[in-house]
Amino acid sequence: QSALTQVASVSGSPGQSITISCTGTSSDIGGYNYVSWYQQHPGKAPKLIIYDVNIRPSGLSSRFSGSKSGNTASLTISGLQAEDEADYFCSSYTSSRTPVFGGGTKLTVL
Amino acid sequence: EVQLVESGGGLVQPGRSLRLSCAASGFTFDDYAMHWVRQVPGKGLEWVSGINWNSGVIHYADSVKGRFTISRDNAKNSLYLQMNSLRPEDTALYYCAKDRPCAGGNCYYFDYWGQGILVTVSS
Repeated sequence: QSALTQVASVSGSPGQSITISCTGTSSDIGGYNYVSWYQQHPGKAPKLIIYDVNIRPSGLSSRFSGSKSGNTASLTISGLQAEDEADYFCSSYTSSRTPVFGGGTKLTVL
Repeated sequence: EVQLVESGGGLVQPGRSLRLSCAASGFTFDDYAMHWVRQVPGKGLEWVSGINWNSGVIHYADSVKGRFTISRDNAKNSLYLQMNSLRPEDTALYYCAKDRPCAGGNCYYFDYWGQGILVTVSS
């Protein structure tokens, strides 16, 4: 199962909104609504921030939102803050009954 | 507070074996599936293996199938990964992760992670 495709890096200024895309196939993102997103700060473990395409875990900021269209999922972060600077990984259930991750996107807050 | 603490990593020669352990606390361990996910430092995440609550359903990534064995001991609140025939490409930080159940049954959401344990395969 090939990794999902994410752009290597994105950047934005404080207060702006950014969107990170994650492209797969009909065997993963396009075939199931089991998409999740993880935030990882340097030296830390990943943190679940979105599941079921667009559901935030309890207590997570509403500045984070997810969506899906066809074979592409997206994570939008609005009102960028310095603490949002991190790596972001998407993940999807696949037809092999196993998950696949994206390669990760490094978000820089200018 | 949920805690997952991995142990057992280190430097090992190619072809040798290593057993990772993950001690869980702060939740009812035998209510949840558990997983191992690895990450080459500075690179992406790769799911390695998962096991359901009673060890009745187990899955492996193709890259480790036949070499790695996942298991759990619910009485000890512990998860294990037996890694045999290790290869240099198995070098990574290995995370123990708790499964977040979903309506669909097995969605592979990981809601708590350990701090990771480094495995280095090199001669």
